[in-house]
Amino acid sequence: QKEVEQNSGPLSVPEGAIASLNCTYSDRVSQSFFWYRQYSGKSPELIMSIYSNGDKEDGRFTAQLNKASQYVSLLIRDSQPSDSATYLCAGGAINTDKLIFGTGTRLQVFP
Amino acid sequence: GAGVSQSPRYKVAKRGQDVALRCDPISGHVSLFWYQQALGQGPEFLTYFQNEAQLDKSGLPSDRFFAERPEGSVSTLKIQRTQQEDSAVYLCASSLVLQGNQPQHFGDGTRLSIL
Repeated sequence: QKEVEQNSGPLSVPEGAIASLNCTYSDRVSQSFFWYRQYSGKSPELIMSIYSNGDKEDGRFTAQLNKASQYVSLLIRDSQPSDSATYLCAGGAINTDKLIFGTGTRLQVFP
Repeated sequence: GAGVSQSPRYKVAKRGQDVALRCDPISGHVSLFWYQQALGQGPEFLTYFQNEAQLDKSGLPSDRFFAERPEGSVSTLKIQRTQQEDSAVYLCASSLVLQGNQPQHFGDGTRLSIL
């Protein structure tokens, strides 16, 4: 199993819908997780961090962490075409400060 | 600006040449990280520093790769005798605190192309 896994997509949703992005992780990843948004040709931009079980909401974004299932998700409500990007899930590595990234899920929001 | 600054933004080199990539982290950020991102992939860890100390270099792909941060702020990633497989985007990130797994903030990257 890869340390952090994501479906590469593309995930296509209509404008105004909820986009659901998912990520699973292995035992080699610690309990800190981050979602980054990356536009084509640009650098990753931090959207959300989550450290404990449950939901964390920030504006249109909600991150969910389920440690028992080793599962992290990002929900984007009222999706906009400007949300179209690649979303990277990252987990902190155990015993070191580095981040382990998934391959990213490409989201397309169509008008 | 207040963000992580990387230079150059683009670098083209011939196979066998040496290159140096620079990263200027957010002021006051203790930790500095280098990642390599291939097309269509997520960033892959190369190395990181806390202040001037290089604490983990396990991701460096070969001894041709060398990184330093002599005064605990600006860092340089050097690649010697470049190969075509070194072509990628090199991302630098920094984080504020010493505690593990804190959010990292990325620069715009250096896109390296080896001909």
